[in-house]
Amino acid sequence: VQLQESGPGLLKPSQTLSLTCTVSSGSLSSGNYYWSWIRQHPGKGLEWIGYIYQGGSTYYNPSLKSRVLMSIDASRNQFSLKMTSLTAADTAFYYCARAAAAAPDFWGPGTLVTVSS
Amino acid sequence: QSVLTQPPSLSGAPGQRVTISCTGSSSNIGADFGVHWYQQFPGTAPRLLIYADTHRSSGVPGRFSGSKSGTSASLAIIGLQPEDEADYYCQSFDSSLSGWVFGGGTKVAVL
Repeated sequence: VQLQESGPGLLKPSQTLSLTCTVSSGSLSSGNYYWSWIRQHPGKGLEWIGYIYQGGSTYYNPSLKSRVLMSIDASRNQFSLKMTSLTAADTAFYYCARAAAAAPDFWGPGTLVTVSS
Repeated sequence: QSVLTQPPSLSGAPGQRVTISCTGSSSNIGADFGVHWYQQFPGTAPRLLIYADTHRSSGVPGRFSGSKSGTSASLAIIGLQPEDEADYYCQSFDSSLSGWVFGGGTKVAVL
């Protein structure tokens, strides 16, 4: 299984971030997986953003819940993250990952998103 | 401030034993949710090392082992190698947040 994030690397404050994770090998609609987004501020630790289950159920970090939306496009083997009202504090590496249970076992390489005017 | 607490840094000579602690609370580790450990090298994504407290992921050397007791967990590296110099993170589920929580990470240096 390979995952790859894609999306803009530079955004302005107040804009909306849209990231897509393309999964190779296997289908997003098969298996009991949690398709996840995790971010890491430069030089800092990991922060769970949320995950979407194959049936479409979503679970978000309470601190980000009001600004986050996740979705799955099984026909394209992709899942997506939208985050609104960006600020400089959202500058981070964003990772997509697959979790079979409670531990992400396959990760994308990550993409740096910079929020700056 | 992370929900799970790890020491910021540890070091050891090659061949030594290094133990990284991960302290949580009654809503995560203490509630018997599994603890998982990740290794991260600069510029790369984290790699799952240990899942469900004690199980090594495929390809992980036997010198890595995990344990859990009460509201804490530990990752031991027995026989430290130069290639083990990396950042290590613990992770669990928190019932108060209804989601995953991570430790702040521990930078391991090989002297």
